Amino acid sequence: AQKVTQAQTEISVVEKEDVTLDCVYETRDTTYYLFWYKQPPSGELVFLIRRNSFDEQNEISGRYSWNFQKSTSSFNFTITASQVVDSAVYFCALSESRKRAGGTSYGKLTFGQGTILTVHP
Amino acid sequence: NAGVTQTPKFQVLKTGQSMTLQCAQDMNHEYMSWYRQDPGMGLRLIHYSVGAGITDQGEVPNGYNVSRSTTEDFPLRLLSAAPSQTSVYFCASSLIQGWNEKLFFGSGTQLSVL
Repeated sequence: AQKVTQAQTEISVVEKEDVTLDCVYETRDTTYYLFWYKQPPSGELVFLIRRNSFDEQNEISGRYSWNFQKSTSSFNFTITASQVVDSAVYFCALSESRKRAGGTSYGKLTFGQGTILTVHP
Repeated sequence: NAGVTQTPKFQVLKTGQSMTLQCAQDMNHEYMSWYRQDPGMGLRLIHYSVGAGITDQGEVPNGYNVSRSTTEDFPLRLLSAAPSQTSVYFCASSLIQGWNEKLFFGSGTQLSVL
């Protein structure tokens, strides 16, 4: 079963429009982490935000904001007043804690399929 | 300030050929990993390592080998390339494999197997 679903494969907007990228996740854990990564046309993935499951406060960083709702298992990402430089593929990811055979714990990271955002001038 | 360095950036192979994708990081990260990115499938974990001498399989390990002889390097080997291995490959590292750790990615290797 898909653990992280980004239902929007591609989104196209005109500069200055607001755009929301959806992310729905599935986990049985009560404690987990959620991430967003950006992949610009240059190809390298860049970390945007990390959120733990106990912190449902929305976060704003400049034109970026994130809305985390445990009740709907969603961690949506909004870009306000989009710019051409926001054009990229955006990935949502879920990290769950798992134990190895030796007893040490590690983070099992699952990525969504990604959303291609194109911002036109 | 190199971060995670991957080579080569592009590679074309014929079916059955072997090759090694190189990955090096200079941040003294314990955790290193290889992902492949395919359209519509996000990033899938191939192999990972939590320290020198320790490697483990990820979600899609078949057809790939890894080793970790030093903290800095984590090469990915394709022993006999197949068209299904045509993909973009990313190396990523983090300080430890904690579940709250963010990953640092290399710039990727675009591999085509004909």
